[in-house]
Amino acid sequence: NAGVTQTPKFRILKIGQSMTLQCTQDMNHNYMYWYRQDPGMGLKLIYYSVGAGITDKGEVPNGYNVSRSTTEDFPLRLELAAPSQTSVYFCASSYSMGGGTEAFFGQGTRLTVV
Amino acid sequence: KNEVEQSPQNLTAQEGEFITINCSYSVGISALHWLQQHPGGGIVSLFMLSSGKKKHGRLIATINIQEKHSSLHITASHPRDSAVYICAVYSGGGADGLTFGKGTHLIIQP
Repeated sequence: NAGVTQTPKFRILKIGQSMTLQCTQDMNHNYMYWYRQDPGMGLKLIYYSVGAGITDKGEVPNGYNVSRSTTEDFPLRLELAAPSQTSVYFCASSYSMGGGTEAFFGQGTRLTVV
Repeated sequence: KNEVEQSPQNLTAQEGEFITINCSYSVGISALHWLQQHPGGGIVSLFMLSSGKKKHGRLIATINIQEKHSSLHITASHPRDSAVYICAVYSGGGADGLTFGKGTHLIIQP
């Protein structure tokens, strides 16, 4: 049982480049989330999805886009990368709403924008 | 918006010591999570609780809803317990996830 799988684990981008962070889960969870973790700060919600075809903004959505075409996959797109997007990104999923059930996290993607 | 405060921010202890990490929050919640993050690794869920106390091996989590406070205890600590421990709360009413504390960086020295 793979749980939540994120790729890549590490990436260096140049300013202005774009990339997609991949996230897939095999637990048939409807709820999926993207968070960023900055040094000394708590995780911040970027986008979330309550099911295929439905996404919504979190606390820090600027500079990012998401899509949810299937239950399993929830990719995060960075357009025109900026140094402020240097962070560690985590994808997570859960069986039901919000934090009311156990959350499963991916291994994280460490992104550096130079 | 809920504010989540953890203490201490950093903790270094000797192997075998009893460890306590505290979490307080400002607004009533539906659930509180304790998470563990190893260096360079992902995040794993340790506990989810909404009342009382839970125990798993050497880890114990308690919550006092009236005082808006939770503690994570580690008994007979071991170097492999070295990690960042994160408290996160869910206030309910929406699907937009958890509010996270900044984490407690724990180092257990042999």
